[in-house]
Amino acid sequence: GQQVMQIPQYQHVQEGEDFTTYCNSSTTLSNIQWYKQRPGGHPVFLIQLVKSGEVKKQKRLTFQFGEAKKNSSLHITATQTTDVGTYFCAGRSGSARQLTFGSGTQLTVLP
Amino acid sequence: DTAVSQTPKYLVTQMGNDKSIKCEQNLGHDTMYWYKQDSKKFLKIMFSYNNKELIINETVPNRFSPKSPDKAHLNLHINSLELGDSAVYFCASSHLTVANTGELFFGEGSRLTVL
Repeated sequence: GQQVMQIPQYQHVQEGEDFTTYCNSSTTLSNIQWYKQRPGGHPVFLIQLVKSGEVKKQKRLTFQFGEAKKNSSLHITATQTTDVGTYFCAGRSGSARQLTFGSGTQLTVLP
Repeated sequence: DTAVSQTPKYLVTQMGNDKSIKCEQNLGHDTMYWYKQDSKKFLKIMFSYNNKELIINETVPNRFSPKSPDKAHLNLHINSLELGDSAVYFCASSHLTVANTGELFFGEGSRLTVL
């Protein structure tokens, strides 16, 4: 079955440092989504990428979809304490009806 | 108005008991899901219903039985609870098409603790 690996599992950064999480799929994805889950909260949709090589930005967040559509990354520039949480990628391959979630990266931002 | 609401938010119960979690969405979506999140934050899909029809049924013990009385509701009943069932259960909904899963809207979660 489809597997989506995400690294690192944990990341501690000083406020103001950059942060990147990487997502790799065992199969080619038709699309990939990113979610953020604050501590004690529920996952909230951030963005969806569909095209090969696509890059999208949301303020300090930059999302990339690999050329082969098997990997993706989320980069946060100059982290803030409000960025704390777990970031998940979730991919769908072929005609699959479900998203497969990555294992998540738990980000801690130290003030 | 809460888009996806699930109740109860917290459940503490003894091993062997039966419990239910209810979920309702007012987004007009045609697809609803149950996810289980364990202590390591891993999100695993359990079930999905599209227009009241079961479309995803992952390898889940048959002690777990979903029920969708209509498009806006998806409930989860768990029989003979075990310690390993302790987790946060998230309900979610989306608009599903052939080309796109659609973004998932999650409920706030129901934290189940089995003693």
